[in-house]
Amino acid sequence: DTAVSQTPKYLVTQMGNDKSIKCEQNLGHDTMYWYKQDSKKFLKIMFSYNNKELIINETVPNRFSPKSPDKAHLNLHINSLELGDSAVYFCASSATGYYGYTFGSGTRLTVV
Amino acid sequence: DQQVKQNSPSLSVQEGRISILNCDYTNSMFDYFLWYKKYPAEGPTFLISISSIKDKNEDGRFTVFLNKSAKHLSLHIVPSQPGDSAVYFCAAASGNTGKLIFGQGTTLQVKP
Repeated sequence: DTAVSQTPKYLVTQMGNDKSIKCEQNLGHDTMYWYKQDSKKFLKIMFSYNNKELIINETVPNRFSPKSPDKAHLNLHINSLELGDSAVYFCASSATGYYGYTFGSGTRLTVV
Repeated sequence: DQQVKQNSPSLSVQEGRISILNCDYTNSMFDYFLWYKKYPAEGPTFLISISSIKDKNEDGRFTVFLNKSAKHLSLHIVPSQPGDSAVYFCAAASGNTGKLIFGQGTTLQVKP
């Protein structure tokens, strides 16, 4: 049983395209996150949702739009992809107030 | 401006010896610290944590030490095993922000 699953695992696309990454968790957690691991390997938070409500929105270009249809799902849509968007994107979930996140296995996005 | 730094990109130790991974932070508001372990093509997994009211937390072979005056924490693994070979991320949080700030990771190789 996969606790936090992300699809797709790999995504190669051309500049200017629009793409989505999906995330689902079956842990019953009420908080979900998107993190980006850049070329320098830092994991940086992008968004956080609690019970479908956006609670953290870091300085992320508005080409990135998260959507949480229910507390078990958090999707990430990216418009007009740029070369600099190439990274590994991790979804995570946790119980409210608990920092021991459970991460998905990541989506490696390559923009060419 | 990286608030959490792991200045050693890699560490190699012999099986059975001690592994010491270091982490420095700059934000004095951080009051909760965690270590995550990451294998290739997988997401980070939570390993151990420590609150700022403590200076040591132990879980089996893993011990985390916190030196608040130096804004430094370390993870000790004793004895090290080949299966411990992975990337280790240090992370920190303040209050109930719900936001973890990660370092860039240290790759540990444990040689048989």
